[in-house]
Amino acid sequence: DAEITQSPRHKITETGRQVTLACHQTWNHNNMFWYRQDLGHGLRLIHYSYGVQDTNKGEVSDGYSVSRSNTEDLPLTLESAASSQTSVYFCASSPGLDYGYTFGSGTRLTVV
Amino acid sequence: QKEVEQNSGPLSVPEGAIASLNCTYSDRGSQSFFWYRQYSGKSPELIMFIYSNGDKEDGRFTAQLNKASQYVSLLIRDSQPSDSATYLCAVDPGSARQLTFGSGTQLTVLP
Repeated sequence: DAEITQSPRHKITETGRQVTLACHQTWNHNNMFWYRQDLGHGLRLIHYSYGVQDTNKGEVSDGYSVSRSNTEDLPLTLESAASSQTSVYFCASSPGLDYGYTFGSGTRLTVV
Repeated sequence: QKEVEQNSGPLSVPEGAIASLNCTYSDRGSQSFFWYRQYSGKSPELIMFIYSNGDKEDGRFTAQLNKASQYVSLLIRDSQPSDSATYLCAVDPGSARQLTFGSGTQLTVLP
């Protein structure tokens, strides 16, 4: 069965370190998205991609980057982790907006 | 003004009752509307989508859309304790190719 997987499920890192969160989907969806979810803010868009070599900034992109070298993967990198980036991160993919998104299981990141 | 607004709740209903969840949106060009259910500690899962004005029913769930009023709702009939979750409204604003999410409404169904 097709799926979307995120790793790691939990991560604790120190302030200033570079961290990469993985997202891998086997749906063959062109569209992939990264969101963060915080109490009181709901899901906020970080970066998104509509295909290989295409990346775009979302609402809260400062301090984050992504790259898309193939259809299956969209890794999210925190260049220099900050305590404000402690959050739950969700990756999602979609064949087109009319179909909504399928979400991964999430990564809980704690920056200490 | 937030683009997609939901009452944060918590909303409590007794088992067997109808739960009504509401969402308003600001972009009149919005095309597609989605309801996601999120259990605590889990990822959101799509439960309903609606594109046209009116009602759409799927089992115990009914989505209602009124584009003139910029309003979308989700009704859950015969609510069960297993329906206790946070419900997220998501909107395709039409001007962009990503969904915008509301902050969610926490629903508790009391046995």
